[in-house]
Amino acid sequence: SQQGEEDPQALSIQEGENATMNCSYKTSINNLQWYRQNSGRGLVHLILIRSNEREKHSGRLRVTLDTSKKSSSLLITASRAADTASYFCATGLPGGYNKLIFGAGTRLAVHP
Amino acid sequence: DSGVTQTPKHLITATGQRVTLRCSPRSGDLSVYWYQQSLDQGLQFLIQYYNGEERAKGNILERFSAQQFPDLHSELNLSSLELGDSALYFCASSVGAGSETQYFGPGTRLLVL
Repeated sequence: SQQGEEDPQALSIQEGENATMNCSYKTSINNLQWYRQNSGRGLVHLILIRSNEREKHSGRLRVTLDTSKKSSSLLITASRAADTASYFCATGLPGGYNKLIFGAGTRLAVHP
Repeated sequence: DSGVTQTPKHLITATGQRVTLRCSPRSGDLSVYWYQQSLDQGLQFLIQYYNGEERAKGNILERFSAQQFPDLHSELNLSSLELGDSALYFCASSVGAGSETQYFGPGTRLLVL
């Protein structure tokens, strides 16, 4: 079964608007990562936040992590049509193993 | 371009057949991971190899097997194929066994008819 659940499943916005996606997970984690996938292609790593971090920024991306609520959010500011893709959160589990448990993803559509 | 290569890009085969998917990790990466992406199951971790040895196992069927060779490339073998095996199969690599960021290949799209 999947560890992470993204919300919403789909999001449609206009260029220039901000997009917020949420992820909830079930067990203890070592880190949480966000990936982007363009239409059936490979996944691209966006950002990683460790379990002892609360917020991280990378360009137009802002990620928060609340381990007490077992949730994370990804904010994309000033969205562009090129941001149209599916976004997945993935949890890295403790124990020295590096398998990632992916959520179901959020499909983001940014309209010009 | 992640630096991870996968062949073939597309594969069409019949039920009961056997196929081999190939992955070459990024230069310097010792870990290789296999994932399956399907509409009903989403992205599922199958198996991880580190420097030739199996490191972690996920939801991999007994009909599936993998190995990592001395040159660090990996192969995923799928046998006795069923319609439900149709999916995108991704390979990813990372520097070490416990490294965190994984770099994904473009995937192999398998269609079982």
